[in-house]
Amino acid sequence: GENVEQHPSTLSVQEGDSAVIKCTYSDSASNYFPWYKQELGKGPQLIIDIRSNVGEKKDQRIAVTLNKTAKHFSLHITETQPEDSAVYFCAAGGFKTIFGAGTRLFVKA
Amino acid sequence: NAGVTQTPKFRVLKTGQSMTLLCAQDMNHEYMYWYRQDPGMGLRLIHYSVGEGTTAKGEVPDGYNVSRLKKQNFLLGLESAAPSQTSVYFCASSYGQLSGNTIYFGEGSWLTVV
Repeated sequence: GENVEQHPSTLSVQEGDSAVIKCTYSDSASNYFPWYKQELGKGPQLIIDIRSNVGEKKDQRIAVTLNKTAKHFSLHITETQPEDSAVYFCAAGGFKTIFGAGTRLFVKA
Repeated sequence: NAGVTQTPKFRVLKTGQSMTLLCAQDMNHEYMYWYRQDPGMGLRLIHYSVGEGTTAKGEVPDGYNVSRLKKQNFLLGLESAAPSQTSVYFCASSYGQLSGNTIYFGEGSWLTVV
């Protein structure tokens, strides 16, 4: 069935460094790729998304890239701050949205 | 604007007991979902609804039932709770199709079955 793999499962960076989270998906019909941030004790919230007709999208310190041929997409966070510490989920949407297993990001001050 | 509201937030059940998780959204969304979140497994879809009066199975529907009698409410029922159903449950909603629209999540319901 459809599957989304997300790596790494845990990522620790120094404040000010960049963080990159990568996902691959299996369903070639997927055309929508959102990223969610989940803070402790809360539900996931959308932080950025990209559609299949776009290769890259940027919003301030976060950017997403999509390679439909390779079925890869990535989240890039630059100039990380302690408040970026959270669990990040990628997802791939076709008929149904399938979520990756999540990446726990620690930003050390 | 409350968004998606879930109750209760925490619950401890004994094996075999039943309970219902309540979800309400005030965004006039057509689609509503119930997910469970377990360590290392991300968010898995239990059941979903594409409109009032409709329900459908997701990835992990066994042991759960749902009802969508009103557009704004989506109820998740556990008829006979099992320890394997210990999890964090998230209700969510979205405007239209299952993909391509932002999914809005509630704050979560922590359920422990002993």
